[in-house]
Amino acid sequence: AQSVTQLDSHVSVSEGTPVLLRCNYSSSYSPSLFWYVQHPNKGLQLLLKYTSAATLVKGINGFEAEFKKSETSFHLTKPSAHMSDAAEYFCVVSDRDGGSQGNLIFGKGTKLSVKP
Amino acid sequence: DSGVTQTPKHLITATGQRVTLRCSPRSGDLSVYWYQQSLDQGLQFLIQYYNGEERAKGNILERFSAQQFPDLHSELNLSSLELGDSALYFCASSEGPEGNQPQHFGDGTRLSIL
Repeated sequence: AQSVTQLDSHVSVSEGTPVLLRCNYSSSYSPSLFWYVQHPNKGLQLLLKYTSAATLVKGINGFEAEFKKSETSFHLTKPSAHMSDAAEYFCVVSDRDGGSQGNLIFGKGTKLSVKP
Repeated sequence: DSGVTQTPKHLITATGQRVTLRCSPRSGDLSVYWYQQSLDQGLQFLIQYYNGEERAKGNILERFSAQQFPDLHSELNLSSLELGDSALYFCASSEGPEGNQPQHFGDGTRLSIL
């Protein structure tokens, strides 16, 4: 069965410094992996998606993530944090051959704080 | 704006009552998903409908039910409400039936049970 672990529940960075949000996954098949962001009182917004086309995936707002099969990791990075990046981030896994399973498995989330 | 509309935004009711949450998917999307988000359980998948038919079931209680109508909007019915049902309920939609597609989320309905 697939699962996802976000290694940090809270990350705090200063504006202009790099962001690293860590995620490890477990999947029986070739996984599809996603990162979603949730701003306060809003729904989740897709940042980026990995589906095996390329191991380095670029998303919106300057975020990117690298799929490392040997480490079963899919960490999210951004070179320079902006105040507007403060939000909660979810790492998500879905089996590629989802078949009749329409569900995504969400990590518990990492809350990103950005200090001025 | 994701294109997914959920109503109402807030709902306050009492234990034992029944409520209905409504979702209109993004134009062109045939799948609708329901999720429950609470502080202790995180974000949990409840159920998926695709083109009017139930497609997948997650951690949905027997007191909860859902349906998708011919115009593709969906409703989630919660009955015999308990204090623990207080949560944020999200609807999401995607084009096809497969779970590995990106899903587009509404802003949620915040349900408070008093």
